Amino acid sequence: GAVVSQHPSRVICKSGTSVKIECRSLDFQATTMFWYRQFPKQSLMLMATSNEGSKATYEQGVEKDKFLINHASLTLSTLTVTSAHPEDSSFYICSATPGPYETQYFGPGTRLLVL
Amino acid sequence: DAKTTQPPSMDCAEGRAANLPCNHSTISGNEYVYWYRQIHSQGPQYIIHGLKNNETNEMASLIITEDRKSSTLILPHATLRDTAVYYCIVRVPNAGGTSYGKLTFGQGTILTVHP
Repeated sequence: GAVVSQHPSRVICKSGTSVKIECRSLDFQATTMFWYRQFPKQSLMLMATSNEGSKATYEQGVEKDKFLINHASLTLSTLTVTSAHPEDSSFYICSATPGPYETQYFGPGTRLLVL
Repeated sequence: DAKTTQPPSMDCAEGRAANLPCNHSTISGNEYVYWYRQIHSQGPQYIIHGLKNNETNEMASLIITEDRKSSTLILPHATLRDTAVYYCIVRVPNAGGTSYGKLTFGQGTILTVHP
């Protein structure tokens, strides 16, 4: 149980385009989902917390207009990187939890390369 | 969240027990100790968590000292597939506001299991 999927697993796009990443909880309802970013040889950095049906809460330094998060249902959250640039190239990972303070389960990650 | 200190790297022979230490000397009474691991280019995998008592599941055992200032994750019979970065994280169960039990990742311990 507690399976989280992400799609796509990797994406290459041109600078200036937008990219959408999906995160799904497959066998439980996720009231809260989190989005992380990981650069090479670094640890995971939390970008934002999203709760179903409400606006996401962004960490300090994360541009909310650049990283659009939608959590429209209890099993799906999306992260859209708008007007992507090469510095946005990274490993994006989501996690989901059945309740806000319960164990987080992570997706397999999405590798984004912006040319 | 309380900060944690872990050794940057450890080695273990295949088939032997791997004991990964974590120091969390500033942990508060209501903070849980969580362990995750991340195999290269994948999302983190939940291993185990605990508050005061020792815990065991099919993956590992978690030993928490009586004063809760440190803990040890034990993989009883390490295999080559256990080679990964292991993260020890302390987390409040209910911080109120908008924290929703978010996780703060440190640098972790790189465990290398060798034949």
